[in-house]
Amino acid sequence: EPEVTQTPSHQVTQMGQEVILRCVPISNHLYFYWYRQILGQKVEFLVSFYNNEISEKSEIFDDQFSVERPDGSNFTLKIRSTKLEDSAMYFCASSRSLSSYNSPLHFGNGTRLTVT
Amino acid sequence: KQEVTQIPAALSVPEGENLVLNCSFTDSAIYNLQWFRQDPGKGLTSLLLIQSSQREQTSGRLNASLDKSSGRSTLYIAASQPGDSATYLCAVATGTASKLTFGTGTRLQVTL
Repeated sequence: EPEVTQTPSHQVTQMGQEVILRCVPISNHLYFYWYRQILGQKVEFLVSFYNNEISEKSEIFDDQFSVERPDGSNFTLKIRSTKLEDSAMYFCASSRSLSSYNSPLHFGNGTRLTVT
Repeated sequence: KQEVTQIPAALSVPEGENLVLNCSFTDSAIYNLQWFRQDPGKGLTSLLLIQSSQREQTSGRLNASLDKSSGRSTLYIAASQPGDSATYLCAVATGTASKLTFGTGTRLQVTL
């Protein structure tokens, strides 16, 4: 069964550094998302992306964050200058359509980002 | 602002028991509700999706119900097995279908 893949599984970076988290969504999906989960807290929506532009973003997704689909397969999340509070598990997800009956979100296994 | 609550936070049951996990949400104007399973260190696996116009969905031993007017959903697991041990998350899409609001989850342990 096709799945969403994320790399790396774990990224350690120093405060102030830029990081890029990578995702390969399921190939026939059109909608892409980033969520994050700080340890012990709820999964939180960051951003949704469709047709090469952001559809919706949360208040967490400030100017330090950006997303890109650089080619036909990858979907990336960039954090320009990481802060300690950016430490979290970041999940990429994709769906074929806007979560209709037969199109739930499919999540990757996540990238654990640790900012020191 | 949508708030999603799940009760109980943790549950331990012996193998074979039927069990019910609860989810409540404050804003009934939802697009859909999804139940996910999360294993330690892993991503989220979609279990069931209920559209706002539906009352329930079934998949194998799982049955999810939705009462939109009262802001509640339940996930019923029949004949639980040790392999069902995981955290179960409820999430609602409010306003648009692209933004899910998650609950804190119910951590389930099924013992032999």
